[in-house]
Amino acid sequence: AQKITQTQPGMFVQEKEAVTLDCTYDTSDQSYGLFWYKQPSSGEMIFLIYQGSYDEQNATEGRYSLNFQKARKSANLVISASQLGDSAMYFCAMREHDTGNQFYFGTGTSLTVIP
Amino acid sequence: EAGVTQFPSHSVIEKGQTVTLRCDPISGHDNLYWYRRVMGKEIKFLLHFVKESKQDESGMPNNRFLAERTGGTYSTLKVQPAELEDSGVYFCASSQVHLGTQYFGPGTRLLVL
Repeated sequence: AQKITQTQPGMFVQEKEAVTLDCTYDTSDQSYGLFWYKQPSSGEMIFLIYQGSYDEQNATEGRYSLNFQKARKSANLVISASQLGDSAMYFCAMREHDTGNQFYFGTGTSLTVIP
Repeated sequence: EAGVTQFPSHSVIEKGQTVTLRCDPISGHDNLYWYRRVMGKEIKFLLHFVKESKQDESGMPNNRFLAERTGGTYSTLKVQPAELEDSGVYFCASSQVHLGTQYFGPGTRLLVL
């Protein structure tokens, strides 16, 4: 079964608008971590934001915030005030503490910011 | 501080040939991971080193893949002999501590013809 599901292969957003990238996950562990990475056309994977399963507050990092809904098992990434440089692939990932070592990734969402 | 680096950035080889990918983790990171993304699929875990020891190699697809991390610094991933289905992007990541955030390199794009 897929551990991480990203249902939006491609998204478009107008510059300066906010956009939400969806991510749902599947785990029976009580303790896990959720991550978002950005991959621009240059290829590197850039760590954006982390949410622990026991964190009560939604994680925020600058213009990035994670809308964590534990009961729904969703961890959507919200990018506020989109910029042209936000155009990239975005990957959601999960690490289960019981298996600890590896990340499980979704298939990614390609975001295009329109000027 | 330098990030994770990988070499080469691209490799095009013929089926049956050998290719060796290299990863230099962030200095001081004991944990090193290899992942692979085959076209259109999700990024999948291959294996995890702690220093020079293989902690988990459950994701290695078959015995044509050999990973090493001599001395606990850089790591190599050798594919011998390469097959068409090995084409994809191979990512390396490192973390300072177990269960820490993993920082990824830019990947090596491998094309097997």
